[in-house]
Amino acid sequence: GAGVSQTPSNKVTEKGKYVELRCDPISGHTALYWYRQSLGQGPEFLIYFQGTGAADDSGLPNDRFFAVRPEGSVSTLKIQRTERGDSAVYLCASSLDPLEGSYNEQFFGPGTRLTVL
Amino acid sequence: DAKTTQPNSMESNEEEPVHLPCNHSTISGTDYIHWYRQLPSQGPEYVIHGLTSNVNNRMASLAIAEDRKSSTLILHRATLRDAAVYYCILRAYNNAGNMLTFGGGTRLMVKP
Repeated sequence: GAGVSQTPSNKVTEKGKYVELRCDPISGHTALYWYRQSLGQGPEFLIYFQGTGAADDSGLPNDRFFAVRPEGSVSTLKIQRTERGDSAVYLCASSLDPLEGSYNEQFFGPGTRLTVL
Repeated sequence: DAKTTQPNSMESNEEEPVHLPCNHSTISGTDYIHWYRQLPSQGPEYVIHGLTSNVNNRMASLAIAEDRKSSTLILHRATLRDAAVYYCILRAYNNAGNMLTFGGGTRLMVKP
């Protein structure tokens, strides 16, 4: 079946602009995660959705970052007033319901490479 | 989650076994040991996980020390496709829904 998809694959924007990054999780996965990966580093957690609600948004760096998942499937990560330091690869992952007590691996998408000029 | 320590990089020859070490001296009793890997220009992918006993799957084996303060991911015959960054991650059992905390990982280079 189809894996996690992310669009666009690349996004170049200018400092101060608004961007939206989209994630399509694997069908039936109730958990969705956003991570950010800077060059040469491991991915860094941003936010976790269980269904439609954000269960943990402790990784969002500031209030310019916001994410939604209105119907419990597709998610959009929104960044306002972008800064050069926001340049990174933004990764999305999904998994089966982790609250059922069994380990559920996270399946990652290929990421969106964001460049802020 | 407790911290893990891995070598920055390792080299292997194709078709030979590879042992990737991970130290986690502050591991707690409810922490599972997970390994993910990230191929170039791709998102991370799950490799294997375990709690106390050694584990085998089609991709790799996981050897866990008796005191659980270290573990080793074993690739039995490295191929060029195994060149990737390998991440060792601890995740508490009661945090099954929570995020993965990635460190710097080990960059594995495979020579033909």
